[in-house]
Amino acid sequence: QVQLQESGPGLVKPSGTLSLTCAVSGESISSDRWWSWVRQPPGKGLEWIGEMYHSGGTNYNPSLTSRVTISVDTSKNQFSLKMNSVTAADTAVYYCVANGYFSLEYWGQGTLVTVSS
Amino acid sequence: EIVLTQSPGTLSLSPGESATLSCRASQSVSSTYLGWYQQKPGQAPRLLIYGASNRATGIPDRFSGSASGTDFTLIISRLEPEDFAMYYCQQYTRPPPEYTFGQGTKLEIK
Repeated sequence: QVQLQESGPGLVKPSGTLSLTCAVSGESISSDRWWSWVRQPPGKGLEWIGEMYHSGGTNYNPSLTSRVTISVDTSKNQFSLKMNSVTAADTAVYYCVANGYFSLEYWGQGTLVTVSS
Repeated sequence: EIVLTQSPGTLSLSPGESATLSCRASQSVSSTYLGWYQQKPGQAPRLLIYGASNRATGIPDRFSGSASGTDFTLIISRLEPEDFAMYYCQQYTRPPPEYTFGQGTKLEIK
C-alpha cells in the first residue's frame, strides 16, 4: 500500500514561500498515477491545490495557479509543493495524496503550516 | 463552476441506526467522478467511495453510495461508534482537471 509523508517548515512569514515535500513509499512515483496536494484551513473544509504526473504534467486549482508549483524528484521518489506570496489565509494542514480513479485515494497524515510573522 | 451542496449540515443518530447523507451538484456531474470521504478529528480524510458507488479498498459493506441525476447519496447502515465523523463528497471536473469538495456533513452521536 502506498504511504506518504509530508515534511517542511511549520512556520512561514507573510509574503514568503511555502515549501513542502512528500516522500512516497510502497510504490514508485513513476507509476501510472497522479499525485496531488490538498489543504484544509483549521476548522474548515478541503481544498485541492493541484496535481502532477511523473513525466512532468501538472494541473492546478484555478484560484491558486498563479502562486503554486508542484514538481517531482523521481530519484528520491518524492514530489514537492511551492506556494509563493503566502498570507494568513494560507494557514492550513497540507496533505499530499496519491490519486485514484478520479478520486484521492491515499493520504499522508498532513502537516500544519502557519503563516505568521 | 459546479458547486456541491451537502445536507444535512449535522446529523445526530445513535449506534445501530442508518445514516443517509446527501450531496447535490449544481449541474450535471458524471457519477464516474463522484467520491465520498470520511474524516475523523486530527486525521487525514479517508476515501470511502469512488465512482459514486464503488467501495474503496478495505471499506466495509455497511457503506454504500448511489446516484440519481445531480443527487448523490451515501448510506451508512448499522452505525458503529467509529463511524461518527465528518463526511465530504468530492467531484472531478474537466477541462481543466480539478477536484472540488462539498462543505461536509458532521455525523454525531445522539
